[in-house]
Amino acid sequence: AQKITQTQPGMFVQEKEAVTLDCTYDTSDQSYGLFWYKQPSSGEMIFLIYQGSYDEQNATEGRYSLNFQKARKSANLVISASQLGDSAMYFCAMREESNAGGTSYGKLTFGQGTILTVHP
Amino acid sequence: NAGVTQTPKFQVLKTGQSMTLQCAQDMNHEYMSWYRQDPGMGLRLIHYSVGAGITDQGEVPNGYNVSRSTTEDFPLRLLSAAPSQTSVYFCASSYGLGEFGETQYFGPGTRLLVL
Repeated sequence: AQKITQTQPGMFVQEKEAVTLDCTYDTSDQSYGLFWYKQPSSGEMIFLIYQGSYDEQNATEGRYSLNFQKARKSANLVISASQLGDSAMYFCAMREESNAGGTSYGKLTFGQGTILTVHP
Repeated sequence: NAGVTQTPKFQVLKTGQSMTLQCAQDMNHEYMSWYRQDPGMGLRLIHYSVGAGITDQGEVPNGYNVSRSTTEDFPLRLLSAAPSQTSVYFCASSYGLGEFGETQYFGPGTRLLVL
């Protein structure tokens, strides 16, 4: 079963407008974390924002904010005042605990990504 | 501070050949992972390590081996390359479990083509 679902293969937004990228997740863990990464055409993975499952307030980092709705299991990324440089692939990821050799480890499960194109 | 480095950047292999993708980090991170990225599939975890001498399988481990003899290095070995292993491979490291938002730092990736 898909644990992270990003239902928008592609999104378009006008420069300076806001855009929301959707992410829903599935877990039975009480403690988990949600991450958003940006992957520009150059290929590197860039961390954007994090939301912990126990965080009461939505995370914000500059123009990025995370609309966290725990009961609906959604963690949408909102980019305000879009810029041309925001054009990229965006991945939602969830941290779940796993065990290796008796040591807990938070491994990431990624969604399929959303390609965002910002038009001038 | 170089962060996470990966070599080579590009590689072409013939079916049946073996090779090792190198990954090194200079941040003294305990946790390291290997992912592969395929079109439309996002990133999928291959193997991970929580410290020197400790590794475990991820979501898609078949056809790959790892070992972790030092904190800095986490090589990924392809035992007998197959066209299905054509992909972009990312190595990542982090200093924590991620429970406090510690992010994984990714290397630049290795593009592998298996003919």
